[in-house]
Amino acid sequence: ETGVTQSPTHLIKTRGQQVTLRCSSQSGHNTVSWYQQALGQGPQFIFQYYREEENGRGNFPPRFSGLQFPNYSSELNVNALELDDSALYLCASSSGLVPEQFFGPGTRLTVL
Amino acid sequence: KQEVTQIPAALSVPEGENLVLNCSFTDSAIYNLQWFRQDPGKGLTSLLLIQSSQREQTSGRLNASLDKSSGRSTLYIAASQPGDSATYLCAVPNTGNQFYFGTGTSLTVIP
Repeated sequence: ETGVTQSPTHLIKTRGQQVTLRCSSQSGHNTVSWYQQALGQGPQFIFQYYREEENGRGNFPPRFSGLQFPNYSSELNVNALELDDSALYLCASSSGLVPEQFFGPGTRLTVL
Repeated sequence: KQEVTQIPAALSVPEGENLVLNCSFTDSAIYNLQWFRQDPGKGLTSLLLIQSSQREQTSGRLNASLDKSSGRSTLYIAASQPGDSATYLCAVPNTGNQFYFGTGTSLTVIP
């Protein structure tokens, strides 16, 4: 059984640019959630996708957007990057049958 | 809005000691609570999931308890080892299974 994978591992962008992060969910999981973790903080919920539809959103501006594909993989897009967007971005997958969430290794985004 | 607090923020113990990490949450109407481990710069590894109907869950040297009425959970680590050094996070979901996290307890086990 393949776990949750994320790409890329690290990314450096400059302020104002756009970025796309990718996540492949664990086999059999149809729900993907994205979290932002600033240094020294707990993860903050960005949004969740269930069967290709957004299924809840945290307190993040519209320049944070996402997609889920038919194979349940997902993308997180961030437009007009700001310095405060520098963080570890985590993806988690789960199934409707079991509430436990499984996380990927994360993507470290640095905005200069 | 659910708020999750973890105490202490940091803990340093000698190898072999038993220790307890604390997690409290403001809204007791939870479905479950999950404990995670995070190594520096890495993703989260699930340790234990406690359903709201359970009071305890055990995995190896780890034991997690849940008291919904008081809004508290504890993670007990027996016979700590240097490899246990990491940040431990607790998280509770809302009805949509979207997690609220604490800021974590950074544990250092000294050989």
